[in-house]
Amino acid sequence: EPEVTQTPSHQVTQMGQEVILRCVPISNHLYFYWYRQILGQKVEFLVSFYNNEISEKSEIFDDQFSVERPDGSNFTLKIRSTKLEDSAMYFCASKLVSYEQYFGPGTRLTVT
Amino acid sequence: RKEVEQDPGPFNVPEGATVAFNCTYSNSASQSFFWYRQDCRKEPKLLMSVYSSGNEDGRFTAQLNRASQYISLLIRDSKLSDSATYLCVPAGGTSYGKLTFGQGTILTVHP
Repeated sequence: EPEVTQTPSHQVTQMGQEVILRCVPISNHLYFYWYRQILGQKVEFLVSFYNNEISEKSEIFDDQFSVERPDGSNFTLKIRSTKLEDSAMYFCASKLVSYEQYFGPGTRLTVT
Repeated sequence: RKEVEQDPGPFNVPEGATVAFNCTYSNSASQSFFWYRQDCRKEPKLLMSVYSSGNEDGRFTAQLNRASQYISLLIRDSKLSDSATYLCVPAGGTSYGKLTFGQGTILTVHP
């Protein structure tokens, strides 16, 4: 069964450093998403991406964040200058056309 | 007002029990819903989609009551592996379809 994959599973970085989180969505899917979940809190939407551009973003997704689909398979989330409060699980999701979104296993980002 | 409201629980039930969760929603225009389950520190996994009045998949039954604006999830013959957080999620209002999650309902099934 096709699935969304994410790398790395765990990333530790120092405050102020740039990180890139990688996702490989399900191959024929058209819509791509990033969500995050701070420990003990609910899953929060960050950004959606369709037709090679951002279609919607939340207030969390400020200028420090960017997304890219550099080739036909990868979908990346970059955080330019990480803050302590960026520590969270980051989930990538994708969907074809219908409503169902499928989530990857997540990257745990720890900012020290 | 929150888009969806769920009893956070926790619900503690013995194996084999039947348990039901309710979820109320505020947007009467919401057409479809998902039930996701999330294990601790894992990704949300799609359990069931609810596009019309309800859906059934094995031990799981979801019902949608548009007049009262609530969705229920019934789990029959609970297994230990059903222990998780259950999330009621309205389908995105646009085709881009961002999902808005609440805190969900915690279920613990014990031997």
